[in-house]
Amino acid sequence: GDSVTQMEGPVTLSEEAFLTINCTYTATGYPSLFWYVQYPGEGLQLLLKATKADDKGSNKGFEATYRKETTSFHLEKGSVQVSDSAVYFCALTPIQGAQKLVFGQGTRLTINP
Amino acid sequence: EPEVTQTPSHQVTQMGQEVILRCVPISNHLYFYWYRQILGQKVEFLVSFYNNEISEKSEIFDDQFSVERPDGSNFTLKIRSTKLEDSAMYFCASSGGRTYNEQFFGPGTRLTVL
Repeated sequence: GDSVTQMEGPVTLSEEAFLTINCTYTATGYPSLFWYVQYPGEGLQLLLKATKADDKGSNKGFEATYRKETTSFHLEKGSVQVSDSAVYFCALTPIQGAQKLVFGQGTRLTINP
Repeated sequence: EPEVTQTPSHQVTQMGQEVILRCVPISNHLYFYWYRQILGQKVEFLVSFYNNEISEKSEIFDDQFSVERPDGSNFTLKIRSTKLEDSAMYFCASSGGRTYNEQFFGPGTRLTVL
């Protein structure tokens, strides 16, 4: 079945550091890929998405590129801020229609000033 | 900006009791979902709902669970006889329109079963 694997957390960085959170997936066909963010005490918010190979999703300084050859969708940000502290979830849906999201286990990110 | 809302934000119940979790999806969306997140674990799919019927459900969604769209705006999840292991955060989501594969999540209902 479809699955998503994220790098183990928690991740702790200093402000202005470079961030990478690794995500790889297993899926039949060509899934759509997503990064969701969960701030403390809140629900899930879509951060960015990519729907086909080589697409780059970007939002709020975060980027991720859909790499079909490596089945990856790593999240990156050049300079993190304290306000980026949250749990980040990589997820996929099969491309055919609106179906369930399959989530990775989540990576807790803490940014220290 | 339209958003998904959920009530209550926190529900405490005794084991064996029935609970109903309520959601108001975004008004022009056609696909509705329930997910749950047990504390410290990944978000898990429970069920998807389209055109007034279940389109997919997970192994977690057994006979104790049911969903309903009782009117044009609400989407509910009922747990008939709660167990301790049902304690979790329950998220409702909806999708539709031009961004049909983008799901919008509500803030969640924290269910505590004692």
